[in-house]
Amino acid sequence: DAGVIQSPRHEVTEMGQEVTLRCKPISGHNSLFWYRQTMMRGLELLIYFNNNVPIDDSGMPEDRFSAKMPNASFSTLKIQPSEPRDSAVYFCASSPPATGELFFGEGSRLTVL
Amino acid sequence: AQSVSQHNHHVILSEAASLELGCNYSYGGTVNLFWYVQYPGQHLQLLLKYFSGDPLVKGIKGFEAEFIKSKFSFNLRKPSVQWSDTAEYFCAVNRRDTDKLIFGTGTRLQVFP
Repeated sequence: DAGVIQSPRHEVTEMGQEVTLRCKPISGHNSLFWYRQTMMRGLELLIYFNNNVPIDDSGMPEDRFSAKMPNASFSTLKIQPSEPRDSAVYFCASSPPATGELFFGEGSRLTVL
Repeated sequence: AQSVSQHNHHVILSEAASLELGCNYSYGGTVNLFWYVQYPGQHLQLLLKYFSGDPLVKGIKGFEAEFIKSKFSFNLRKPSVQWSDTAEYFCAVNRRDTDKLIFGTGTRLQVFP
């Protein structure tokens, strides 16, 4: 079975550029999560969706960050404009109904110069 | 607000030593509890989980955890660690009525041969 698929795996960009991270959850999972991991702050929940609807976006740092889930098999996390402090590994995870168990993707390592 | 505390930030052990990593959470209601492991350069993987029933939970690779409700704790244990257990370990909690999974800051375990 395919796991959670994220792209790109690595991205290096310059400050001010738009960054789009993509995620394909596991088929049949109804919840999708975006986390950010840094050395300083550990794993932070940015936003999560249930049945394609954003449920909690209280972790989204600021208006430069936005996330969408247009259908059950695709989500994006966009940063516009990007800043050096956005450099981190961004993980997408999905969860089947009523288990609470998350399955993580390989992560997207973002470096903003 | 719900929070998860892992008091050991960095643990260094020799092979065959016993391991116990602490995890405490702050939410007073019914919760699901998890331990995830992140091997160097990889994504998070589920080690074990507790939903209900026997508070002593067995996971993969010889790990176990004990849920002590009165202490709001879910400590991870392994009787004899191996070099391959070198990784970062994350405790996580979610309330039964939500999918929102909150992670602790993680404990970095280094095992030397």
